[in-house]
Amino acid sequence: AQRVTQPEKLLSVFKGAPVELKCNYSYSGSPELFWYVQYSRQRLQLLLRHISRESIKGFTADLNKGETSFHLKKPFAQEEDSAMYYCALVSGGGADGLTFGKGTHLIIQP
Amino acid sequence: GAVVSQHPSWVICKSGTSVKIECRSLDFQATTMFWYRQFPKQSLMLMATSNEGSKATYEQGVEKDKFLINHASLTLSTLTVTSAHPEDSSFYICSARGDPVRTQYFGPGTRLTVL
Repeated sequence: AQRVTQPEKLLSVFKGAPVELKCNYSYSGSPELFWYVQYSRQRLQLLLRHISRESIKGFTADLNKGETSFHLKKPFAQEEDSAMYYCALVSGGGADGLTFGKGTHLIIQP
Repeated sequence: GAVVSQHPSWVICKSGTSVKIECRSLDFQATTMFWYRQFPKQSLMLMATSNEGSKATYEQGVEKDKFLINHASLTLSTLTVTSAHPEDSSFYICSARGDPVRTQYFGPGTRLTVL
């Protein structure tokens, strides 16, 4: 069965510092990985998907199949980045529901 | 674009009653809709996947007779919690996905409290 692990419940960094939110997954096939973000009192929204290899709001994430990781990074944190971040995967093969990690609450201190 | 709404946003009901939650895709046709459940301070757990016009596929451990899902049109899916009990109190979130873009767009969620 697939699983997504986000080891940090809470991550606090200062504005302007680099940010890395960790995500590891377990799945025997080739999953599709996502990062979703939830700002305070808002719904979940897609931040990144690994197949598009794009940078959104300065965030990037690289899929490392050897380490089964999909860490989210940003070189310089901004206060508006404070939110809940969820890593998720889709196993594919017709089973398209998302398997979520437990989420990391990112707090950017001024 | 790609807005998903849920109604109601919150509901309180008595134990033993049934509650229906609606999920609508407002500006696109959702060939597939998903229902998730989120307990306090926990992550989202997939409950079921529904494709328009066919029966929903439930995840292991989710009672299909308790959580009735209907996806009768390309813009509406409903989740009915039958004979609700306090342990069914949770945050229920739907997502919708259309073709060919397969990104899931999430609704704002529905807070269910069963007394």
